[in-house]
Amino acid sequence: DAGVIQSPRHEVTEMGQEVTLRCKPISGHDYLFWYRQTMMRGLELLIYFNNNVPIDDSGMPEDRFSAKMPNASFSTLKIQPSEPRDSAVYFCASAFSSGLYQETQYFGPGTRLLVL
Amino acid sequence: QKEVEQNSGPLSVPEGAIASLNCTYSDRGSQSFFWYRQYSGKSPELIMFIYSNGDKEDGRFTAQLNKASQYVSLLIRDSQPSDSATYLCAVRGNNRLAFGKGNQVVVIP
Repeated sequence: DAGVIQSPRHEVTEMGQEVTLRCKPISGHDYLFWYRQTMMRGLELLIYFNNNVPIDDSGMPEDRFSAKMPNASFSTLKIQPSEPRDSAVYFCASAFSSGLYQETQYFGPGTRLLVL
Repeated sequence: QKEVEQNSGPLSVPEGAIASLNCTYSDRGSQSFFWYRQYSGKSPELIMFIYSNGDKEDGRFTAQLNKASQYVSLLIRDSQPSDSATYLCAVRGNNRLAFGKGNQVVVIP
């Protein structure tokens, strides 16, 4: 398996522009997570989906952030408009659930976002 | 109070020594505990998980869990330069993982 795939790997944009990050989870996984990592705040969960349905978006910082999962093999995280404080590494992770428990989360390589 | 706390600063250990990392968590109902390793510029990767009180060993790594005291630790025996990384403690509750900010380990040859 190719693992979790994220694109782009690096993104440099100017303040006010729209940014779209993409993720392809591991085939067969039914959970998908979006995280943001910064030096100051560490790794923070933004939102997660189960079977393509958003379950918990309490970590989404504000209305400028939105996430979708139109099918089991694709998800997007959009920032509109972007601001310099959004600069971070954004990780997508996926996991498979067995019964009541969710198994190991596998992380993608991340998207390094710089907003100027 | 943060959900998961890793308060130690960078840890430097000589090659072959034991590295000890600690983590505390606030949700007493947490059931699953994980240690992830993250190399600089890379994504986190799972190295250990533990569900029950006590010790769990996997090669040179030992995870220790004490639910009564709400802490989990990681021991790395016979530390190697390849163990130099940031180690993230994660605790699961309500199908989501809460991560600590991590501890950097530097193994000195």
